[in-house]
Amino acid sequence: DADVTQTPRNRITKTGKRIMLECSQTKGHDRMYWYRQDPGLGLRLIYYSFDVKDINKGEISDGYSVSRQAQAKFSLSLESAIPNQTALYFCATSEFSTDTQYFGPGTRLTVL
Amino acid sequence: ILNVEQSPQSLHVQEGDSTNFTCSFPSSNFYALHWYRWETAKSPEALFVMTLNGDEKKKGRISATLNTKEGYSYLYIKGSQPEDSATYLCAFYNYGQNFVFGPGTRLSVLP
Repeated sequence: DADVTQTPRNRITKTGKRIMLECSQTKGHDRMYWYRQDPGLGLRLIYYSFDVKDINKGEISDGYSVSRQAQAKFSLSLESAIPNQTALYFCATSEFSTDTQYFGPGTRLTVL
Repeated sequence: ILNVEQSPQSLHVQEGDSTNFTCSFPSSNFYALHWYRWETAKSPEALFVMTLNGDEKKKGRISATLNTKEGYSYLYIKGSQPEDSATYLCAFYNYGQNFVFGPGTRLSVLP
């Protein structure tokens, strides 16, 4: 079984819709992250959380919000999706000691 | 804003060739440098975590070196194989718990 799972894996939606992407992990890590990947731009950090009560904005947080419901769950929401949020979204976890990140399989989101 | 660069952006090599590419990062306030391997249609996977100036890490045919004073790390692949085709990402961490991924180097190994 995968240690970091993301749902859904693919989603097509329309401009203005509210979308939630979910991430769950069984690695027991405190730290969780959301990234987006656009062609030619690598991974850009949206939000991260070092524990359940800690939420931090990343490089590109505008238009996104997150919720850390439990140590194992970290959700990303697009309150009103727009076409330039079309991208591949990755969730990741890390442990404090090394910060090595373990990535989920990704969610491909298309906003029409 | 932390500026992390990787070069080249992409390269094509023949099977059996050895190759290397570079990650450049700020030389001040260094904490760690990570390398990841990202195959198409998969997720990035960690290769190395490097923390000390002069560090050398090796995993099979892949190795990496670190120079924190001048702000660069090299990743080497000896005798490239088609299965080495992937995007190689570096991630720089500073003492302020800030980190950023570089844009990656896309390697294609032709059989």
